[in-house]
Amino acid sequence: QQQVKQSPQSLIVQKGGISIINCAYENTAFDYFPWYQQFPGKGPALLIAIRPDVSEKKEGRFTISFNKSAKQFSLHIMDSQPGDSATYFCAAFVQGSNDYKLSFGAGTTVTVRA
Amino acid sequence: ETGVTQTPRHLVMGMTNKKSLKCEQHLGHNAMYWYKQSAKKPLELMFVYSLEERVENNSVPSRFSPECPNSSHLFLHLHTLQPEDSALYLCASSQVGSANNEQFFGPGTRLTVL
Repeated sequence: QQQVKQSPQSLIVQKGGISIINCAYENTAFDYFPWYQQFPGKGPALLIAIRPDVSEKKEGRFTISFNKSAKQFSLHIMDSQPGDSATYFCAAFVQGSNDYKLSFGAGTTVTVRA
Repeated sequence: ETGVTQTPRHLVMGMTNKKSLKCEQHLGHNAMYWYKQSAKKPLELMFVYSLEERVENNSVPSRFSPECPNSSHLFLHLHTLQPEDSALYLCASSQVGSANNEQFFGPGTRLTVL
C-alpha cells in the first residue's frame, strides 16, 4: 500500500511561472517530510524538508506548505527556471524510531519551458 | 571521491548471468540502502543495513543478494534475473540517530536484463 500519494505525475510550466506539486499521506505518525529533486542520470538529492509543527517553510524559490489536519503538503516552485526541470519526490518519515524507511511518492516530472 | 559512488553506471546482462553492483559511501554514515527505481513508480526500498547488519528485506526475490562487508561498502549480487528487473538501482546512506536521518543517494546503476 502506497503511504504517500503524489500528484500530478508530470507538469509543464513556462519560465517564470509557478510549479505546484501535491502530496497526501495517511500515517499520522509521520513527523518529517522531505522533498527530493532528481536530475536525469543522478540520484535524488534532498531539496527542502518540513516538520508538522510549522505550516510553511521557504528556501529561496522553493516553499513547502503543510496542512496537518488535511494530511497534505505541497511544494511550490516560484519563478520556475529551465534549470528546475527535474523529477521531484515527496517523502515521509517517522523520526526517532527504529524504522529507517522513507515512504516516497511516485514522483512528478517538471518541465520548465524557456 | 565524495558522497556516495556506484559502479558500474550501466549494466546489460542476460538472464543467466551473474553480476554485482557496488556502492561506496565516503560520508562516515552508519546505514546503507538499496532502492529500485522503475518508471512512474515510487522508489522501492529493497534492503537496509545498519551498522553492517541487515535490518530490512522487503520481500525481495532471492535472485537479489545484498552484502555489506563494512560500513562504507554495499554490494548487490545479481543472478538469473528477469527482464522485469530492468530498472535504476540506487544506493543511499544515512546517519541513523542524527536529527533527520537524511539519505544521500548515489547516481545509480542502470540495469537492463535481456
